Amino acid sequence: AQTVTQSQPEMSVQEAETVTLSCTYDTSESDYYLFWYKQPPSRQMILVIRQEAYKQQNATENRFSVNFQKAAKSFSLKISDSQLGDAAMYFCALGGSEKLVFGKGTKLTVNP
Amino acid sequence: DTGVSQNPRHKITKRGQNVTFRCDPISEHNRLYWYRQTLGQGPEFLTYFQNEAQLEKSRLLSDRFSAERPKGSFSTLEIQRTEQGDSAMYLCASSPVPDKTLGGQPQHFGDGTRLSIL
Repeated sequence: AQTVTQSQPEMSVQEAETVTLSCTYDTSESDYYLFWYKQPPSRQMILVIRQEAYKQQNATENRFSVNFQKAAKSFSLKISDSQLGDAAMYFCALGGSEKLVFGKGTKLTVNP
Repeated sequence: DTGVSQNPRHKITKRGQNVTFRCDPISEHNRLYWYRQTLGQGPEFLTYFQNEAQLEKSRLLSDRFSAERPKGSFSTLEIQRTEQGDSAMYLCASSPVPDKTLGGQPQHFGDGTRLSIL
């Protein structure tokens, strides 16, 4: 069975600072993908960043980057220059070619 | 790209009633997924379709739940004889079929239907 663990129920960061959200996972698959999704309050889930497990290079999308440690099965998200609009629930998700398995999420608060 | 559309946004019903939700995926997406999200939890997979074929159902999907995608376009999720424990946000997502070049495709989510059982 595939599992995803997010050990930080809540995190906070000052505007313009950097924050890192943690995620660990477990899978027996050799070919899989990892995602970070953002879910603002009462709004839809939005893809933040995606990482293919076969790629060693860490994915980056503007202010968002990941630290993918395949051997450790770790997939953390770094948000640089945090903005008020980054405040949301962040979900780490693991998938192959079918369904996604999500962690319980981390609530990120951005303080002005 | 008009995004994934779900209706209704909110549904309040009495225990024991039947409810039906609708999902319209992004038009060029062959895959459609249903997830359930309860308060404080991440989404949990329920079922998914490729075109009109239902390819996988979670053990979470009891026999009171049924999903269809009759023409490979929109999908419906019906819950019969609703129970208090069915109260949740029901999320629909869609994606292209994975291919050998691009691999796993990210899923695009709708706003969800929030179900409240009185």
